[in-house]
Amino acid sequence: EGQLVESGGDLVQPGGSLRLSCVASEFTFSKYSMHWVRQAPGKGLEWVSYIVGGSGSDIYYADSVKGRFTISRDNAKNSVYVQMNSLRAEDTAVYYCARGNHDSGSHRMDVWGKGTTVTVSS
Amino acid sequence: EIVLTQSPGTLSLSPGERATLSCRASQTISNIYFAWYQQKPGRAPRLLIYATSNRATGIPDRFSGSGSGTDFTLTISRLESEDFAVYYCQHYGTSPPYTFGQGTKLEIK
Repeated sequence: EGQLVESGGDLVQPGGSLRLSCVASEFTFSKYSMHWVRQAPGKGLEWVSYIVGGSGSDIYYADSVKGRFTISRDNAKNSVYVQMNSLRAEDTAVYYCARGNHDSGSHRMDVWGKGTTVTVSS
Repeated sequence: EIVLTQSPGTLSLSPGERATLSCRASQTISNIYFAWYQQKPGRAPRLLIYATSNRATGIPDRFSGSGSGTDFTLTISRLESEDFAVYYCQHYGTSPPYTFGQGTKLEIK
């Protein structure tokens, strides 16, 4: 069905930067859109960013991260990334990557990684 | 932006009982863009139901989804111990944001 493994989470100071990675396996990565979803401690799920499959020409961001985060993908490496700049305390969360599946016309996030933890603190 | 409101916030039930979880959207949404996820403590979310009523791969048939318009329901026919978790609804439409509800915690009574 597919696997996703995130990495890159760390403790970073406010205003700092971090790059998260997500490596996919056991499915044809290039065909699928990919998402980043985060969960602050004790809180619910928050969608962060989306990149379409193939060329990755369509990209979207949540308002809370627009202008600070940049999503990208490298189909040759079966990987999706998010570059996070100007980090704030409220960006502290577990960050999940998830596969977007649009077959049969329905949309869902059907494969999730285990997450990587980002802590923004001085 | 579509807002999803889940109720109740916490549901306390016993194994073997029937659970009914609700999700209300702030505006009409298409059935094909509505999903439910389960999350256990310290674990990633798992897709349960997509397109309102389709079970994801490997999901037991005690889980069912229904609804239309603005009101959607997840039903667990007979609760088993592994079903106690937090459940999220999601609208995943053709454009962002791809919002989640705030979650319903299903706990053992």
